[in-house]
Amino acid sequence: EAGVVQSPRYKIIEKKQPVAFWCNPISGHNTLYWYRQNLGQGPELLIRYENEEAVDDSQLPKDRFSAERLKGVDSTLKIQPAELGDSAVYLCASSSGFTSTAGNIQYFGAGTRLSVL
Amino acid sequence: GDSVTQMEGPVTLSEEAFLTINCTYTATGYPSLFWYVQYPGEGLQLLLKATKADDKGSNKGFEATYRKETTSFHLEKGSVQVSDSAVYFCALSDRNDYKLSFGAGTTVTVRA
Repeated sequence: EAGVVQSPRYKIIEKKQPVAFWCNPISGHNTLYWYRQNLGQGPELLIRYENEEAVDDSQLPKDRFSAERLKGVDSTLKIQPAELGDSAVYLCASSSGFTSTAGNIQYFGAGTRLSVL
Repeated sequence: GDSVTQMEGPVTLSEEAFLTINCTYTATGYPSLFWYVQYPGEGLQLLLKATKADDKGSNKGFEATYRKETTSFHLEKGSVQVSDSAVYFCALSDRNDYKLSFGAGTTVTVRA
């Protein structure tokens, strides 16, 4: 079974330029997450989708960040315009929901490393 | 809110040495606990998990026991290999919440 697929793996842009990241979750996973991981830190949640609905976007900087999940499968995260402080690894994860024994297990993609110059 | 504190790195070991990475947590509820591993150039992979007190999670020779009395979930491996070189993250999730809270990560380097 294929895991969570993200592209591109690396992106280098100049500040004020737009950038977009793409994620394809594990087949059948209704819940999709976008995280940002700053250097030397753990991932922090930006937004969570249940199917095509964004149910938690409280940590998403809405002035420059946007996301969509059309048809409840693939998702795109966009930054416009990018700032120097946006340099980080952007991780996508998916899960199939809660189970009585394991709780909620999230599966992560390899991430997109963004460098803003 | 919920949070995780884990041992700062980097940690450098020789092959076959014993590894332990400390992790403690603060949670208002009764969380599930996880260790994720991130190998160079790859995404986070679930290493092991525990969902209730005294549970022991294990995988690939790694073990961690959910200690409610000390709010800890320390990761251990008796004999590390070069291939264990990675960044290890402790994380927690409330049983009825999707939010996953991570520690800062501990970089482990194993030398041959």
